[in-house]
Amino acid sequence: GQSLEQPSEVTAVEGAIVQINCTYQTSGFYGLSWYQQHDGGAPTFLSYNGLDGLEETGRFSSFLSRSDSYGYLLLQELQMKDSASYFCAVPRLGQNFVFGPGTRLSVLP
Amino acid sequence: NAGVTQTPKFRVLKTGQSMTLLCAQDMNHEYMYWYRQDPGMGLRLIHYSVGEGTTAKGEVPDGYNVSRLKKQNFLLGLESAAPSQTSVYFCASSSSRDRSGANVLTFGAGSRLTVL
Repeated sequence: GQSLEQPSEVTAVEGAIVQINCTYQTSGFYGLSWYQQHDGGAPTFLSYNGLDGLEETGRFSSFLSRSDSYGYLLLQELQMKDSASYFCAVPRLGQNFVFGPGTRLSVLP
Repeated sequence: NAGVTQTPKFRVLKTGQSMTLLCAQDMNHEYMYWYRQDPGMGLRLIHYSVGEGTTAKGEVPDGYNVSRLKKQNFLLGLESAAPSQTSVYFCASSSSRDRSGANVLTFGAGSRLTVL
């Protein structure tokens, strides 16, 4: 089966850098995705890593190490609007996904 | 450009009642999904569909049924609601992988269901 682990909460101040980790156990691996969800909102896609290394999209970067079954989301120059929950997710055969339990990020002024 | 639309947004049911949640997408996506979200448990897949007329079970299918009679619609039914089905339900859709290899899910706004 598949399982993903993330820290439940992370707190940081505006302007700082924060890293949210995700470890996974899967039978077959097809990449790691990250989603953001604000309170009361829907999850929205942030990034995807199919291969090892770093993917950068503006202030957000995502990293994957397939040999370590590990990835992380890096948020730079934190803003108050980045306060949200962040989920890692892995696709499976059959076009469905398994999500991690989510990490709640609180950005303090 | 509506994306993924879910109805209703809120519903309160009594134990044993039935209801149907409707999901509609206008992006011509092949794949559609129903997830439920409970505090501290992330998103759990209930059922999904890889195309019109096909459905498959996810992680937590018990107590739910689905139908995909039209490509753009995916219905989630509760035949006899139970308090354990109190949750926020999200529908999502996706197409085939994009150029980066990603298979991006587009979510609806969610349907909050309370079963008393």
